[in-house]
Amino acid sequence: DTGVSQNPRHKITKRGQNVTFRCDPISEHNRLYWYRQTLGQGPEFLTYFQNEAQLEKSRLLSDRFSAERPKGSFSTLEIQRTEQGDSAMYLCASSVGVLAKNIQYFGAGTRLSVL
Amino acid sequence: GQNIDQPTEMTATEGAIVQINCTYQTSGFNGLFWYQQHAGEAPTFLSYNVLDGLEEKGRFSSFLSRSKGYSYLLLKELQMKDSASYLCAVRDKSNDYKLSFGAGTTVTVRA
Repeated sequence: DTGVSQNPRHKITKRGQNVTFRCDPISEHNRLYWYRQTLGQGPEFLTYFQNEAQLEKSRLLSDRFSAERPKGSFSTLEIQRTEQGDSAMYLCASSVGVLAKNIQYFGAGTRLSVL
Repeated sequence: GQNIDQPTEMTATEGAIVQINCTYQTSGFNGLFWYQQHAGEAPTFLSYNVLDGLEEKGRFSSFLSRSKGYSYLLLKELQMKDSASYLCAVRDKSNDYKLSFGAGTTVTVRA
């Protein structure tokens, strides 16, 4: 399978705990994106990497959120001291940034439930 | 930012045609995308428009009018498997890395 892979698919945690999600992009895609999607809404942009550099962070991304992409390959998104409002689907996407279309291909997401 | 509007729900009969409209406002338009998303699954890319006109791809077509800030996705010969959410997304020149999505249109295909 050469698509975007995300793990875990589901995560249930208690309020105040830390969680970490992983995204493996399509190989050779230099751009990687994180979005958050709540029920009945479209995905909302969180952050973006070009290779290993994090180039943009949305205001939605509070100080409790941190994302990394070491070596420009897989990425992790960590949420510290989770709150119930963090419950959502976290989607990762990747693209080849040099092409005009720059189509983003999405993973199936990690569904987070904070109790 | 972009204001992207699309209907919340649409229902159609198997074999019929459905048109999903999307209107947007952006200062520096740089492409419009349609994605299909089945419940609990990844959004999958359907179409891309950057110039005015119709792009046809099998049973799916997408139209764009930049002057009107308007697009539609046309689904022909509907099949039960087309029941899904359809997301309209716009890219702006000022930040070509991110997509701004509408809330999605849930299409239900009935036998």
